[in-house]
Amino acid sequence: EAQVTQNPRYLITVTGKKLTVTCSQNMNHEYMSWYRQDPGLGLRQIYYSMNVEVTDKGDVPEGYKVSRKEKRNFPLILESPSPNQTSLYFCASSSGQREQGGNTIYFGEGSWLTVV
Amino acid sequence: AQSVSQHNHHVILSEAASLELGCNYSYGGTVNLFWYVQYPGQHLQLLLKYFSGDPLVKGIKGFEAEFIKSKFSFNLRKPSVQWSDTAEYFCAVNAYGNNRLAFGKGNQVVVIP
Repeated sequence: EAQVTQNPRYLITVTGKKLTVTCSQNMNHEYMSWYRQDPGLGLRQIYYSMNVEVTDKGDVPEGYKVSRKEKRNFPLILESPSPNQTSLYFCASSSGQREQGGNTIYFGEGSWLTVV
Repeated sequence: AQSVSQHNHHVILSEAASLELGCNYSYGGTVNLFWYVQYPGQHLQLLLKYFSGDPLVKGIKGFEAEFIKSKFSFNLRKPSVQWSDTAEYFCAVNAYGNNRLAFGKGNQVVVIP
């Protein structure tokens, strides 16, 4: 079954304590990305990766880091979390191959992060 | 870069009423268009997508959307909603061959039994 798996699903942490949210996909997709969802703002892209060792900033990258050492994994790292990073985070992946000109993007189940 | 506008963030309607959610995008080139649904406490699920061909697209759960290129629109419709359609709906766009999705801010839809 095609899956994008995120962990943890729920986390409460304190300001400044480094944390990592893992993301793994089993579809051999080249493209992976991270979004955060906030009320009234929709989903905003944090970082994305076109392939292994290729990452780039999205619309709201401040305070986040990513790495893409393997094709299947794309962890999101918060080196020093702050309360304004309290949000719902989604990992997504898609094939680099075009389906009739487009690419369906698959989402993980989301990770609720609270920073106090 | 592409951007997406969704209007009427909060929509409340009764069961059996018809639903239409507007989506407008700004991008001059060829686009791919998506509607995603997020049920309470759940992740995003793809409702339907348009890549090319017939501009009237049918999706799951009785939803459809029409791509009108001249209006830069991709409105979502359902003729008769059910209580189980209570959810948040997101329109999304990416440029042809591009993986980056731009999302609208969403429509929170509440269906009253």
